[in-house]
Amino acid sequence: DARVTQTPRHKVTEMGQEVTMRCQPILGHNTVFWYRQTMMQGLELLAYFRNRAPLDDSGMPKDRFSAEMPDATLATLKIQPSEPRDSAVYFCASGSGQGWQPQHFGDGTRLSIL
Amino acid sequence: TQLLEQSPQFLSIQEGENLTVYCNSSSVFSSLQWYRQEPGEGPVLLVTVVTGGEVKKLKRLTFQFGDARKDSSLHITAAQPGDTGLYLCAGAHRRDDKIIFGKGTRLHILP
Repeated sequence: DARVTQTPRHKVTEMGQEVTMRCQPILGHNTVFWYRQTMMQGLELLAYFRNRAPLDDSGMPKDRFSAEMPDATLATLKIQPSEPRDSAVYFCASGSGQGWQPQHFGDGTRLSIL
Repeated sequence: TQLLEQSPQFLSIQEGENLTVYCNSSSVFSSLQWYRQEPGEGPVLLVTVVTGGEVKKLKRLTFQFGDARKDSSLHITAAQPGDTGLYLCAGAHRRDDKIIFGKGTRLHILP
């Protein structure tokens, strides 16, 4: 079965450090999403790409977060500098077609900022 | 802000019992998706309902989309420990080209 692959699965680092999370979407999928999941807020959309172009990053703190798709097989989410409030599970999802269609999720990166 | 409210937030029941969880909104959706998420994994799509009043069955799970396409329910018959997980509903807006997730119902089935 085709899967969305996220690395690393776990990351523990100190506040102020740069964090980079990577995602390999399912081959052939043209939409990629980054979400953050916490107990309090649930799943929050951070960024949305279609055909590698960013369409919506309104949910992302612009001062410290950035999302890119260097090519069709790689999406990255960076936090610099990281803060303890960034601790959460970050999910990447991919899909085909439009942003409202069902998405396939990776297993997430569990991030802890000390 | 469009919100999807899921209830109950938590549910713990004995194996073999029936249960229903709800997903409500004041917004009309083009379609509604249900996902299940197990610990340490990402959400996995269970079903998409598109038409108002639509009912879909997936083994012991029955999904219904409200007539006005503002709400949905998930009914599980004879719950089993394997049904344990976080159930998320997600409303889809073709106009906005995105889906909005509820916070989920955390279900625990006791053996």
